[in-house]
Amino acid sequence: EAGVAQSPRYKIIEKRQSVAFWCNPISGHATLYWYQQILGQGPKLLIQFQNNGVVDDSQLPKDRFSAERLKGVDSTLKIQPAKLEDSAVYLCASSPGGSNEKLFFGSGTQLSVL
Amino acid sequence: GDSVTQMEGPVTLSEEAFLTINCTYTATGYPSLFWYVQYPGEGLQLLLKATKADDKGSNKGFEATYRKETTSFHLEKGSVQVSDSAVYFCALRTGRRALTFGSGTRLQVQP
Repeated sequence: EAGVAQSPRYKIIEKRQSVAFWCNPISGHATLYWYQQILGQGPKLLIQFQNNGVVDDSQLPKDRFSAERLKGVDSTLKIQPAKLEDSAVYLCASSPGGSNEKLFFGSGTQLSVL
Repeated sequence: GDSVTQMEGPVTLSEEAFLTINCTYTATGYPSLFWYVQYPGEGLQLLLKATKADDKGSNKGFEATYRKETTSFHLEKGSVQVSDSAVYFCALRTGRRALTFGSGTRLQVQP
């Protein structure tokens, strides 16, 4: 089966610019997650969707980050304006939606903010 | 809230050495526990999991036992190979909540 698809693979921008990332989860997976992984750290959850509704966005910096999953399938994550500390790998993951199931991860988008 | 603590790396071993990477957790409820691995240039992938106390997860020669009394889920392998060089993440999940990850442990295996 096809895995979680993310694009772009790499992105370099200057601070104060905006950027968007795209994710297409595994077909049929109801739950979608965006994680931020700063170099040398473990992934940190930004937002969790169940179908097209938000389950948890408590750690999303809402003054600059936004995410949507309009049709309950693919999702976009946007940063506007970007800061230097946003340099990280942005990981998308999906799961079927049950309890205690494993997550399937995409390869990530590596963002460098200069 | 939920949290995972794992030993800092890097861990450097010679091929065929015994590996232990320590992981302890704090959680409300009854979490499932996972080890994910990130090989160089690749995405995170599940290595093994355990869903209840005393369960043992195993895969590719790696094992970890869910110890509720010590809130631990240590990763072990009897004989590591160069191809095991990667970053290993311990994680937990409670119900339908997202995974909570530890900070990762880099393993370097030398021939």
